[in-house]
Amino acid sequence: DIVMTQSPLSLSVTPGQPASISCRSSQSLLHTDGQTFLYWYLQKSGQPPRLLIYEVSKRFAGVPDRFSGSGSGTDFTLKISRVEAEDVGVYYCMQSIQLPPFGQGTKVEIK
Amino acid sequence: EVQLVQSGPEVKKPGTTVKISCKVFGDTINEYFIHWVQQAPGKGLEWMGLIDPKDGETVYADRFLGRVTISADTSADTAYMEVRGLISEDTAVYFCAAFPQPYWGQGTLVTVSS
Repeated sequence: DIVMTQSPLSLSVTPGQPASISCRSSQSLLHTDGQTFLYWYLQKSGQPPRLLIYEVSKRFAGVPDRFSGSGSGTDFTLKISRVEAEDVGVYYCMQSIQLPPFGQGTKVEIK
Repeated sequence: EVQLVQSGPEVKKPGTTVKISCKVFGDTINEYFIHWVQQAPGKGLEWMGLIDPKDGETVYADRFLGRVTISADTSADTAYMEVRGLISEDTAVYFCAAFPQPYWGQGTLVTVSS
């Protein structure tokens, strides 16, 4: 199994300030076809998770450009350049190389 | 637009069985692997298993193997997830999803209570 480890597990951010979440996988997520299958989701209370970033750094349709993803191999980061109140929720990294797919989640709240 | 629509909330007694459905709208279910994810109250996402509707092949997480059955009816574009021998710890929201495509069901709350 691939183990996905997120840090921190919780984050309290002042609106307008940046935030960063780390995700480390126990094995490389680089596929033999050259793509890296790492995704970031945001789950707001009472809702299913919503895709933010796919293949490490590609923003999904409609996702604000304050969200960015980076990384390679086993180390990945989600950054929010300026946190807004609507960004509260739990962020999950996910991989699709092997099962199971999810990290533990990082809870983001506003100070 | 692809949508996954799940069946409604369930209240079950311990030891009984629950079966949740997940219907695909806007496309054929054969285009996707359908995953099932458990989210216990206040907890994270736990992957339970998946089905490839094209051939019915399933894969289960070890924790759910033997107590959970995932199936699909391709003629109805619908997947199902059955949990047997319910215990209070099965109280959770269950999601179907077609990741890595960005399609998730709305979630189905299952409450197990005597």
